[in-house]
Amino acid sequence: GAVVSQHPSWVICKSGTSVKIECRSLDFQATTMFWYRQFPKQSLMLMATSNEGSKATYEQGVEKDKFLINHASLTLSTLTVTSAHPEDSSFYICSAEVYEQYFGPGTRLTVT
Amino acid sequence: AQSVTQPDIHITVSEGASLELRCNYSYGATPYLFWYVQSPGQGLQLLLKYFSGDTLVQGIKGFEAEFKRSQSSFNLRKPSVHWSDAAEYFCAVGGHRDDKIIFGKGTRLHILP
Repeated sequence: GAVVSQHPSWVICKSGTSVKIECRSLDFQATTMFWYRQFPKQSLMLMATSNEGSKATYEQGVEKDKFLINHASLTLSTLTVTSAHPEDSSFYICSAEVYEQYFGPGTRLTVT
Repeated sequence: AQSVTQPDIHITVSEGASLELRCNYSYGATPYLFWYVQSPGQGLQLLLKYFSGDTLVQGIKGFEAEFKRSQSSFNLRKPSVHWSDAAEYFCAVGGHRDDKIIFGKGTRLHILP
């Protein structure tokens, strides 16, 4: 089956620093990847949709300058949280689409 | 507006009992419907999906769901739950390719021994 990986699975960073999360489709090419955010005991909220080679489309209320998304190839999308603050602490999940969305295992970000 | 409603935040059932998790959706066109399961601290695992055809869909781990267009529902069922089924369950709706998936708020399933 289609496998999506995320790296790192868990990261702690200090307030004010930036952190990059990678999302890879391991055995298929995905023209579209999605980034979701999940707060504790809550549902997944779509942050942005990224298409290979073009700018990401952000959902309303998501700061595009804070959450930088790069979809450099058909198998890799990255989410960079810039100038992270404690309120950015969350579980970030990506998905890659080929006929349907396949989800990664998630990355837990803790900002201290 | 597109939305998914899971009316039950928590459900508790005894091991071996039957289970039904409710899901209602609002979608302008023919929806793609999904059920996902998430264990604590883990990603999502797809249980089953409905795109078209037979309205009773069989999934993994003994789960099934029935699409009822007239009721805008896609309830998840299992005839006999196991302790390992304790998790968070998300119903979701999406459109065709490249369309985003909208998740319900989730139902947390607790299993009594």
